[in-house]
Amino acid sequence: AQSVAQPEDQVNVAEGNPLTVKCTYSVSGNPYLFWYVQYPNRGLQFLLKYITGDNLVKGSYGFEAEFNKSQTSFHLKKPSALVSDSALYFCAVRPSGSARQLTFGSGTQLTVLP
Amino acid sequence: NAGVTQTPKFQVLKTGQSMTLQCAQDMNHNSMYWYRQDPGMGLRLIYYSASEGTTDKGEVPNGYNVSRLNKREFSLRLESAAPSQTSVYFCASSPPSGHSYNEQFFGPGTRLTVL
Repeated sequence: AQSVAQPEDQVNVAEGNPLTVKCTYSVSGNPYLFWYVQYPNRGLQFLLKYITGDNLVKGSYGFEAEFNKSQTSFHLKKPSALVSDSALYFCAVRPSGSARQLTFGSGTQLTVLP
Repeated sequence: NAGVTQTPKFQVLKTGQSMTLQCAQDMNHNSMYWYRQDPGMGLRLIYYSASEGTTDKGEVPNGYNVSRLNKREFSLRLESAAPSQTSVYFCASSPPSGHSYNEQFFGPGTRLTVL
């Protein structure tokens, strides 16, 4: 069975500092990995995805994520956090070449302090 | 384009009542999904429809039914609501299912409370 772990329920960071939101996964075969963001009272919005190729993936709003196969991780990063980045972040995985659906992590609440 | 729309935005039901949550997308997507979001549990898939005319169970289908009315619309029905179904419900869609790595597009959600 596939699974996603987001070990931190809450991450606080000062504005201007780098941020990292952690994600590890378990899946049979090669993974397709996704990050979504949810602002209060809104639906999820797609940020970025890893399918194949370069391990460093760049996405919307200056976010990037690094795929590490040996550590089965896909951490979300941003070099300089903004207050407007404060939101709930979800990591998701599905196995490649399969009809299985996405499995989401439990979410990490990011708060950027001014 | 409106993207994915959901109605209603809020609903309060009494135990045993029934209701249907509506979802529509105008992006000509083949696949549509229903999720529920509960605190600390992320999103869990209730049902999905890979294409018009097909539906499949997800992780937590018990107590729900779905109808893929046409390519645009995918409804979720609670026949006899229970307090455990208090949640926020999201509909999503994605481009043709042959591209399994396509991202999903989400609606704004329906907040359902069952008393």
